[in-house]
Amino acid sequence: AQKVTQAQTEISVVEKEDVTLDCVYETRDTTYYLFWYKQPPSGELVFLIRRNSFDEQNEISGRYSWNFQKSTSSFNFTITASQVVDSAVYFCALSEGDSNYQLIWGAGTKLIIKP
Amino acid sequence: DSGVTQTPKHLITATGQRVTLRCSPRSGDLSVYWYQQSLDQGLQFLIQYYNGEERAKGNILERFSAQQFPDLHSELNLSSLELGDSALYFCASSPAGLGDTQYFGPGTRLTVL
Repeated sequence: AQKVTQAQTEISVVEKEDVTLDCVYETRDTTYYLFWYKQPPSGELVFLIRRNSFDEQNEISGRYSWNFQKSTSSFNFTITASQVVDSAVYFCALSEGDSNYQLIWGAGTKLIIKP
Repeated sequence: DSGVTQTPKHLITATGQRVTLRCSPRSGDLSVYWYQQSLDQGLQFLIQYYNGEERAKGNILERFSAQQFPDLHSELNLSSLELGDSALYFCASSPAGLGDTQYFGPGTRLTVL
């Protein structure tokens, strides 16, 4: 069973639009961690955020914000006023004790920001 | 720059050959992870080492092996290479491993011809 689902394979928006990337996860653990990583065309994986299961506060970092909702097992990522440099593949990942805290990855969402 | 280094950046080899990928973790990190990213399988966890000991194993083929040395650098050995082993191999490191943030190296792109 897929533990991390990113249903949006590809999203294309025009620069300055807001865009939300969805992530739904599945776990039986009460303690777990959720992550977002960005993979720009150059290929490296860049850490964006880590959230533990006990902290449901939304987080904002500049144009980036994250909405963690345990009730719906979702950890969505919003980019406000998107820019061309935001074009990348974004991965959501889960780390849980049942899986020895390895990262379990979603399939990724390719975000294209058109000028 | 994550502080994790990987060499080489690119590797082109032939089927049946053996290669070694090298990773140096961030200063102070004791855990090292290896992941494979391929077009058909996505990102998959291969293996984790913590302070020289194997801690967890994922979808790692028997033809693949890894180790972590006393200076904490790690090597991933891939043998009897097949075309399907062509992928991007990432190393990541974290302080301890229990849900810590994993910081990734730039990856090694392996092409098997």
